[in-house]
Amino acid sequence: NAGVTQTPKFQVLKTGQSMTLQCAQDMNHEYMSWYRQDPGMGLRLIHYSVGAGITDQGEVPNGYNVSRSTTEDFPLRLLSAAPSQTSVYFCASSTSSRTPRIGYTFGSGTRLTVV
Amino acid sequence: GENVEQHPSTLSVQEGDSAVIKCTYSDSASNYFPWYKQELGKRPQLIIDIRSNVGEKKDQRIAVTLNKTAKHFSLHITETQPEDSAVYFCAASKGPPSNTGKLIFGQGTTLQVKP
Repeated sequence: NAGVTQTPKFQVLKTGQSMTLQCAQDMNHEYMSWYRQDPGMGLRLIHYSVGAGITDQGEVPNGYNVSRSTTEDFPLRLLSAAPSQTSVYFCASSTSSRTPRIGYTFGSGTRLTVV
Repeated sequence: GENVEQHPSTLSVQEGDSAVIKCTYSDSASNYFPWYKQELGKRPQLIIDIRSNVGEKKDQRIAVTLNKTAKHFSLHITETQPEDSAVYFCAASKGPPSNTGKLIFGQGTTLQVKP
């Protein structure tokens, strides 16, 4: 049971390049989310999904796309990278099951730098 | 949508003292309030959570209180230890039975416990 796996751990992009951040979970969780973390701004929700085939926008969705074709995978696509997207990205998953806990489990993060 | 405000942004206490972090939320329909601890360079980890049908919850040295009328909740850490030093995040969402999977975080509090 690996939990939530994010790849890559580090990435440097040039402005205008595109890339996909990968996220996979093996806990059969229905809910998956992408957050970005910037100094002093906490964790801001980019996109989230309540199940395969269902996604919705969070607080800061512009410049990012997501899809959820399977329960396990929830990739985040940067369409045309900008320096403002330099951040640490976390993927997280959760379940609607009431026990033992319904809190989100986070991946280890991807540190992205756009130059 | 939901907005979560967290105070203070930094908190310094002496070892053995208590620490209190406060959060307010805007959406009266929110009913699930977790707290996360993030150590430097690591992922956020759930430390305690509370649902709106409960006013207080304790787990050893940490406790969370909830005031639904005022729409605020607080994290209390007693007998602080240097290993409690970290960034703490509060969050809010609509949990079960109508779990939307949309978890909104506060801006974070950096807690420093001085030996």
